Amino acid sequence: EDQVTQSPEALRLQEGESSSLNCSYTVSGLRGLFWYRQDPGKGPEFLFTLYSAGEEKEKERLKATLTKKESFLHITAPKPEDSATYLCAVLNQAGTALIFGKGTTLSVSS
Amino acid sequence: GAGVSQSPSNKVTEKGKDVELRCDPISGHTALYWYRQSLGQGLEFLIYFQGNSAPDKSGLPSDRFSAERTGGSVSTLTIQRTQQEDSAVYLCASSSRTGTSGELFFGEGSRLTVL
Repeated sequence: EDQVTQSPEALRLQEGESSSLNCSYTVSGLRGLFWYRQDPGKGPEFLFTLYSAGEEKEKERLKATLTKKESFLHITAPKPEDSATYLCAVLNQAGTALIFGKGTTLSVSS
Repeated sequence: GAGVSQSPSNKVTEKGKDVELRCDPISGHTALYWYRQSLGQGLEFLIYFQGNSAPDKSGLPSDRFSAERTGGSVSTLTIQRTQQEDSAVYLCASSSRTGTSGELFFGEGSRLTVL
């Protein structure tokens, strides 16, 4: 069964304190791993797609990396506006839907 | 606006009543998805529409749930005989390609509360 597990559930950082979020997955034949950001009361917003081990994508203070069993979202020198829930997802075997993890809620204080 | 539009944004209903939730996807997007997000839970896939193909209904939790998409555009999710466990935020998303792109555009959701 396709499964996505994210850790930690919640993370509190001081502004400028870099850290990483983890996403481990179990899927038969990875067809893509996806990162989304969700602000309170809003729908998720697409960040990155990774397709193969070793691939990296960057956007501002965020960098996503992928291995054969997990993905990391590295946050460098975060700012309060980076506070949000970060969701990881994989494509299901049928290729019809994303299977999401429960997310990591990041809080960055100044 | 140019984004995915959902209505109502909030719905409070009594147990046993039927509800309809509406989704207006981004113009030209052929793929449409419904997800459910309960407190403390991840997004749960419900149903997927792609063009004129038969929808993937594998995520619908019971036969009280149904969805249709008219004219390849607007979609309606119907929940019959609502139960308290149906309380959640129902999110709609659309995409310009088939699911493999992974880039879905989500609406802000319809929050359903069943008393």
